[in-house]
Amino acid sequence: DIQMTQSPSTLSASVGDRVTITCRASQSISSWLAWYQQKPGKAPKLLIYKASNLESGVPSRFSGSGSGTEFTLTISSLQPDDSATYYCQQYIGSLYTFGQGTKLEIK
Amino acid sequence: EVQLVESGGGLVQPGGSLRLSCAASGFTFSSYWMNWVRQAPGKGLEWVANIKQDGSQIYYVDSVKGRFTISRDNAKNSLYLQMNTLRVEETAVYYCATERGANSGHGQAFDIWGQGTMVTVSS
Repeated sequence: DIQMTQSPSTLSASVGDRVTITCRASQSISSWLAWYQQKPGKAPKLLIYKASNLESGVPSRFSGSGSGTEFTLTISSLQPDDSATYYCQQYIGSLYTFGQGTKLEIK
Repeated sequence: EVQLVESGGGLVQPGGSLRLSCAASGFTFSSYWMNWVRQAPGKGLEWVANIKQDGSQIYYVDSVKGRFTISRDNAKNSLYLQMNTLRVEETAVYYCATERGANSGHGQAFDIWGQGTMVTVSS
């Protein structure tokens, strides 16, 4: 099975900061990677699909990059509403796996 | 409005069974791969199973193989998860989710999620 490892596990940043979250796959997944945002008590929300494609309706301050085994989610200018837990997910092959999550807090 | 609504969660004893349902509305259910994802309290997301548009392909995470069965009824716009021999560690919120793109092949991001249904396995 493909393992997904996110870093950091927790992150604290200020409004206006540029924030980057990293996701590493245990083997190449080409660009078959998604990023989700989840707020407490809510279902996850798709932000980025196929590594770098912004889902409709998602603010342009979110962006994704990478291919193969290393990927990043970047928030260009952090907003108070971005406080949440972020998950990466690989969807190559038969079985899908999520990263363990990165909790983003606003200072 | 595009919507997925899960139901069927509740309290069950270890070794017991439960059947979850997911009702779809606002889109052509039969055109989408469907998934179940779970989240234990305070933990991360875990993909559980998925099923092709016509039910001809099904995949499971290793830990539920032989105990869980995913199925769908396109005439009723519904997805199901039959869970047998439940374990305490399977206490979680169970979400259903669609794979992005009508009539797509296997392997897409999950763009529509339900609100989840809580399953508690405890004696």
